Amino acid sequence: DTAVSQTPKYLVTQMGNDKSIKCEQNLGHDTMYWYKQDSKKFLKIMFSYNNKELIINETVPNRFSPKSPDKAHLNLHINSLELGDSAVYFCASSQVIGVGTEAFFGQGTRLTVV
Amino acid sequence: GENVEQHPSTLSVQEGDSAVIKCTYSDSASNYFPWYKQELGKRPQLIIDIRSNVGEKKDQRIAVTLNKTAKHFSLHITETQPEDSAVYFCAASIYGGATNKLIFGTGTLLAVQP
Repeated sequence: DTAVSQTPKYLVTQMGNDKSIKCEQNLGHDTMYWYKQDSKKFLKIMFSYNNKELIINETVPNRFSPKSPDKAHLNLHINSLELGDSAVYFCASSQVIGVGTEAFFGQGTRLTVV
Repeated sequence: GENVEQHPSTLSVQEGDSAVIKCTYSDSASNYFPWYKQELGKRPQLIIDIRSNVGEKKDQRIAVTLNKTAKHFSLHITETQPEDSAVYFCAASIYGGATNKLIFGTGTLLAVQP
């Protein structure tokens, strides 16, 4: 009964490939996010979706395309992978309208581009 | 947009001592300030949060203070234990409405020496 789950946990791929990371939350939250954590541990927001609608796109290259089929899912597709895309990608969710706005994170996907 | 600065980037203390981590934010409209703890290889998890209508909040050994005028907020950990060793992130957000954009500080690696 994991609250926010993302798959896969590890992803090793070659430059130029296309890959996807899936995320699902069972908390009933209306907002989901993708964060990128680089080797220096900086947590940088990439995208935010509210009820399946894109709210925030933080100047991420258009090789990154999020897709939210419903408010419980937010997948991340990456085209033409580059070495600099290697990082840990975290999915998260929160309830925007409500008492608490704690963001719950998935376990992370460690992407290694070789 | 919101910018969050966090200091220090690394902090080493002896077991039993106190640890203080400081953050400043730029957007005066920010009204929600959570702190996350990330253990090695794990996901960030909320440890305490504070909203702009409160100046201080305490939960056992951890406390957070907020100075809205100066746009500063701090995390205080007393009687540190080896299991407190982790990376700590502050964050700032404007909650309510259609967006909840959590912007994280750059993180503080806390090492508690036994």
